[in-house]
Amino acid sequence: GENVEQHPSTLSVQEGDSAVIKCTYSDSASNYFPWYKQELGKRPQLIIDIRSNVGEKKDQRIAVTLNKTAKHFSLHITETQPEDSAVYFCAASLGGTSYGKLTFGQGTILTVHP
Amino acid sequence: DGGITQSPKYLFRKEGQNVTLSCEQNLNHDAMYWYRQDPGQGLRLIYYSQIVNDFQKGDIAEGYSVSREKKESFPLTVTSAQKNPTAFYLCASKGQLQETQYFGPGTRLLVL
Repeated sequence: GENVEQHPSTLSVQEGDSAVIKCTYSDSASNYFPWYKQELGKRPQLIIDIRSNVGEKKDQRIAVTLNKTAKHFSLHITETQPEDSAVYFCAASLGGTSYGKLTFGQGTILTVHP
Repeated sequence: DGGITQSPKYLFRKEGQNVTLSCEQNLNHDAMYWYRQDPGQGLRLIYYSQIVNDFQKGDIAEGYSVSREKKESFPLTVTSAQKNPTAFYLCASKGQLQETQYFGPGTRLLVL
């Protein structure tokens, strides 16, 4: 089955700096890669996603890049703010007949210091 | 994701007891999922269902059971066979033509 590795497990930055979280996946057939943000005790919420036919996607301060050849994708957050502090999860899905099953990375605890 | 509800918010289980976690959605989504989250780990898939009266085991189904008698509801039972049930349980749903899963607020299960 699919395996997703996420790094780093913790990331500490100063407000205004950029943050980058990286994930690798094992199944080359995976074609959908969402990123979720989870605040303490809350539900995960989708912040951005990318499909395998796209190399990069941006939404304001957040961007995701995908390298299908290397089987890795990354989340980039620019101009970080204290409210960006949370746990971030990447995930991968085969789509189609996989019934939309997501395989998640282990998560990255992002702390943004004022 | 406001259309997915889970209850209770906290649940306490005594040894040898079965407990059932509720998940309801009013989004008209066909697919529903149950995940388990442990500290420092990602979400792991327990069971999933694409349509009413059909469900499939995920990666960690042992000690759990589900039913899907209605499109809106996908309850999870944690049986006495699950020896380490303490975790945060998250339910999710997805529309048939969508890829995004939306999560409920979760149930925290604790063992007495």
